[in-house]
Amino acid sequence: DTGVSQNPRHKITKRGQNVTFRCDPISEHNRLYWYRQTLGQGPEFLTYFQNEAQLEKSRLLSDRFSAERPKGSFSTLEIQRTEQGDSAMYLCASSSGDRVVDEQFFGPGTRLTVL
Amino acid sequence: RKEVEQDPGPFNVPEGATVAFNCTYSNSASQSFFWYRQDCRKEPKLLMSVYSSGNEDGRFTAQLNRASQYISLLIRDSKLSDSATYLCVVNTNAGKSTFGDGTTLTVKP
Repeated sequence: DTGVSQNPRHKITKRGQNVTFRCDPISEHNRLYWYRQTLGQGPEFLTYFQNEAQLEKSRLLSDRFSAERPKGSFSTLEIQRTEQGDSAMYLCASSSGDRVVDEQFFGPGTRLTVL
Repeated sequence: RKEVEQDPGPFNVPEGATVAFNCTYSNSASQSFFWYRQDCRKEPKLLMSVYSSGNEDGRFTAQLNRASQYISLLIRDSKLSDSATYLCVVNTNAGKSTFGDGTTLTVKP
């Protein structure tokens, strides 16, 4: 399977715990995006990488959220001291980045539940 | 006010109907525009890009009005399989993508 993969698919945690999600983009895709989606809402932009450089970060992202893409391949999203409001689907997408207008391919998402 | 606004619907239409969705955006610096489709409990997938000249792909027609900051999607001859949520997406040159909250379509036999 050469699509975008995300792990884990589901995560249940207690409030205050740290969680880390992983995204493996389509091979050779330069751009990688993280989004958060809750029921009835569209995906909400969190951050975006061009290779290993984090170029955009939403103001909605608090200091508890951090993302890395150390070698320009896979990426991790960490949430520290989780809160119940963090419960959502976390989506990763990648694109070739060959031009300004390019298609984003989404992974299946990681569903986070904070108890 | 949200950066990208869509009528949430739901739109309930019979098979064969023509249905139109609208989207407005507030950032005049937006550079590229898309419609994505999202099925229940699935990830979004690109339906089509939207160009200033308008573009058509089979039963689907997308149009962009930069002056009014308005995007539309027209679906002709609706099929049961068209039932989904349609997301309007606006990109800036910096690479940030902003999604609308989607319009839900249900096509009934």
